[in-house]
Amino acid sequence: AQTVTQSQPEMSVQEAETVTLSCTYDTSENNYYLFWYKQPPSRQMILVIRQEAYKQQNATENRFSVNFQKAAKSFSLKISDSQLGDTAMYFCAFAAYNAGNMLTFGGGTRLMVKP
Amino acid sequence: EADIYQTPRYLVIGTGKKITLECSQTMGHDKMYWYQQDPGMELHLIHYSYGVNSTEKGDLSSESTVSRIRTEHFPLTLESARPSHTSQYLCASSVAGGNTIYFGEGSWLTVV
Repeated sequence: AQTVTQSQPEMSVQEAETVTLSCTYDTSENNYYLFWYKQPPSRQMILVIRQEAYKQQNATENRFSVNFQKAAKSFSLKISDSQLGDTAMYFCAFAAYNAGNMLTFGGGTRLMVKP
Repeated sequence: EADIYQTPRYLVIGTGKKITLECSQTMGHDKMYWYQQDPGMELHLIHYSYGVNSTEKGDLSSESTVSRIRTEHFPLTLESARPSHTSQYLCASSVAGGNTIYFGEGSWLTVV
């Protein structure tokens, strides 16, 4: 079984600054995906960024990037130039290749971007 | 945003009532899922389906049931709601073989 841990229940950042959200996971699988999902208040959960475990290069999507450390089983999310619209719950999630998209989620980090 | 819709968005019902949460997606996805999320907590998979007439229980035990008679539709039913069922229920879908799951906006259920 997999576990995903997000050690920061809440974080805040000033608008335009950079913030990093932490995520660690535990698995015996060698092939898997890692995800960061964003859930704005009362709105749809959307995918922010995805990383395949076999890729050494860290994924990047505009202002969002990850620091994937496979040996350490760490998968942090960096948000650059934070915007007010980034305020949301952020969930780290894991899915094994052979698990048919069954996601295991972390407990979430509530991010507040302050003006 | 993804084309996956849930109704009702918010529901308050009395104990013992039967309720069905609707979920529909227009993306032609084979796989569909129901997750349960208590406020501020992580999501737990309670049901999933690989396609029509396929339903499986997820990691978290749930008294709810699901059906998959049509590809686009994956309703969740509680025969007799209890206060312990108060939670948010998130429907999701994905293509077979794909690795991105698309979520609906969620249904907030309160049982009083």
